[in-house]
Amino acid sequence: ELLLVESGGGLVQPGGSLRLSCVASGFPFNSYTMNWVRQAPGKGLEWLSYITSSSSTLYYADSVKGRFTISRDNAKNSLYLQMYSLRVEDTAVYYCARDRTRHFDLWGQGTLVTVSS
Amino acid sequence: DIVLTQSPGTLSLSPGERATLSCRASQSVSRSYLAWYQQKPGQAPRLLIYGASSRATGIPDRFSGSGSGTDFTLTISRLEPEDFAVYYCHHYGSSSAMHTFGQGTKLEIK
Repeated sequence: ELLLVESGGGLVQPGGSLRLSCVASGFPFNSYTMNWVRQAPGKGLEWLSYITSSSSTLYYADSVKGRFTISRDNAKNSLYLQMYSLRVEDTAVYYCARDRTRHFDLWGQGTLVTVSS
Repeated sequence: DIVLTQSPGTLSLSPGERATLSCRASQSVSRSYLAWYQQKPGQAPRLLIYGASSRATGIPDRFSGSGSGTDFTLTISRLEPEDFAVYYCHHYGSSSAMHTFGQGTKLEIK
């Protein structure tokens, strides 16, 4: 079964840090570009970042550039999102998504990040 | 940056009716990188259409996509009760290497 499972969400104070993880199974993780997408409560989808299969290319949305870092460990079938300097407006469900020629054909169930004092 | 504008914001229809959802890009985009997703409450998005008109695996043929340039359409030929959800269009800009989502259309039962 194709599966992406996120973890690492929780409650963090403004200015704090958090590291999200996404573990893949059922497909050759090291062959795919991977993405992070978030959704604030009651809002639409916002793409955040992607990383190519070999980690050679990384891109970020302007809203998180300089604060978030995407990485992966192909040996562990894992994708990460390190988040620094978190703001109240970063509160959202964070999804990892598999990239299949620039559309997202497999999504995790999401992990909720709440930034609040 | 490319902006995707979806219309209408909310569409109220009855089961069995035809739904037409629009996605307009702020400039001409490649249809190869235009996709549609369905999202139900509490669930992750699900890929419906990619390359503007190709159905994803397991998607019923009542879902179809069309369009080119700046105007794209998702059509659901005969609505089933499980089709009432929020729909998003999505584009990847090869020149900017950035992904963009539309703001979504909520399809609700009339």
